[in-house]
Amino acid sequence: DTAVSQTPKYLVTQMGNDKSIKCEQNLGHDTMYWYKQDSKKFLKIMFSYNNKELIINETVPNRFSPKSPDKAHLNLHINSLELGDSAVYFCASSQEGGPSYEQYFGPGTRLTVT
Amino acid sequence: GNSVTQMEGPVTLSEEAFLTINCTYTATGYPSLFWYVQYPGEGLQLLLKATKADDKGSNKGFEATYRKETTSFHLEKGSVQVSDSAVYFCALRRGGGSNYKLTFGKGTLLTVNP
Repeated sequence: DTAVSQTPKYLVTQMGNDKSIKCEQNLGHDTMYWYKQDSKKFLKIMFSYNNKELIINETVPNRFSPKSPDKAHLNLHINSLELGDSAVYFCASSQEGGPSYEQYFGPGTRLTVT
Repeated sequence: GNSVTQMEGPVTLSEEAFLTINCTYTATGYPSLFWYVQYPGEGLQLLLKATKADDKGSNKGFEATYRKETTSFHLEKGSVQVSDSAVYFCALRRGGGSNYKLTFGKGTLLTVNP
């Protein structure tokens, strides 16, 4: 069974469109995250949700809106896509309160905006 | 704030060579430290971790020791294989509080040639 899954794996779209990426974890974790990896492989946190509540919101344009319908899901909706949004987006989850807060990552969604 | 600095890549080695990837950090308190590995086209996988000073994390022949006095967590492997070719990320998570995010270094690309 896949622990953290994301759909779609690849997403190619045009500037100005609106798109969503879905993430699901079956680990029973209470915290989920979205990270962005740019073309130079640099990883940066975007959002974090704990028990469906927003914990971290880094300086991300408000065109990006995360939604957590329940603890097992964290979706990312992006409005008015721009060329600079092209990147690989990773979802992750963890169980807070544990000794090391280990995060488990999904396989990533490669977004290409043309 | 928290930050992680790891050696610039790319690193190219021959099979069975010794590997060191340097990682130093800046953080308040007592962070947990991690090495993640990203194989081509895949998401991140936790390679090893250490949660307190002098802890040694180890997995798949890789080792790293949490050195508080030098604020370092260098990754080592005595004999690399072609299958170790990947991008390696050092990361920290500050202990306690509601800051759940991982802070990553910029990643080091390792290529192992037969």
